[in-house]
Amino acid sequence: EVRLVESGGGLVQPGGSLRLSCAVSGFTFSDYYIDWVRRAPGKGLEWVGRSRDKARDFSTDYAASVKGRFTVSRDYSRNSFYLQMTSLKIEDSAMYYCTRTDRNIRKDFDYWGQGTLVTVS
Amino acid sequence: QSVLTQPPSASGTPGQRVTISCFGSSSNIGTEGVNWYQQLPGTAAPKLLIYNNNQRPSGVPDRFSGSKSGTSASLAISGLRSEDEADYYCAAWDNNLDGILFGGGTKVTV
Repeated sequence: EVRLVESGGGLVQPGGSLRLSCAVSGFTFSDYYIDWVRRAPGKGLEWVGRSRDKARDFSTDYAASVKGRFTVSRDYSRNSFYLQMTSLKIEDSAMYYCTRTDRNIRKDFDYWGQGTLVTVS
Repeated sequence: QSVLTQPPSASGTPGQRVTISCFGSSSNIGTEGVNWYQQLPGTAAPKLLIYNNNQRPSGVPDRFSGSKSGTSASLAISGLRSEDEADYYCAAWDNNLDGILFGGGTKVTV
């Protein structure tokens, strides 16, 4: 069974930092992309960033709104992905989801975690 | 301009067919596949409904269908049910932004 479980959310002051984790199981770690998507209160979904698969050298991309402040990474030994967030702003407050993508068949975000809430205040 | 535009709301009665549009441009829908997501009210995570324009993941009812033409895409829900009340989002990669764009979302009321 494919599972993604986020953790690490919480309350942080503006300008602070937080690291979100996404523990995955049920699929081969290196064969899929992992994306982070957020939804702020009263707003729609917003893509945050991506870590590609091994075939694409685990390259990363970020939304303009977080570029230079957020970093996605992965840890093979722990089967986990991370979203390091720095210089946090009030507008970064949101539910953050990690999702899986099978880019070979263009199946974006086929599995989602339950989300972890970040509040910047 | 790199945006995906959806109507903010749509509604129908049980059994009806509802269609949600998603307008983009040559840098996104015009050259990339479109995906559709459903997010139920409350704290549920979004769910993939349609990928690569018109493909349904296993387990998604065939009441849901997707199509694409040029720089626009559509999601159709036929045989509308009360449990279809949710927010629906289109999404596509954008080659100008080098990132994924979501539409603003459409709230469907049954």
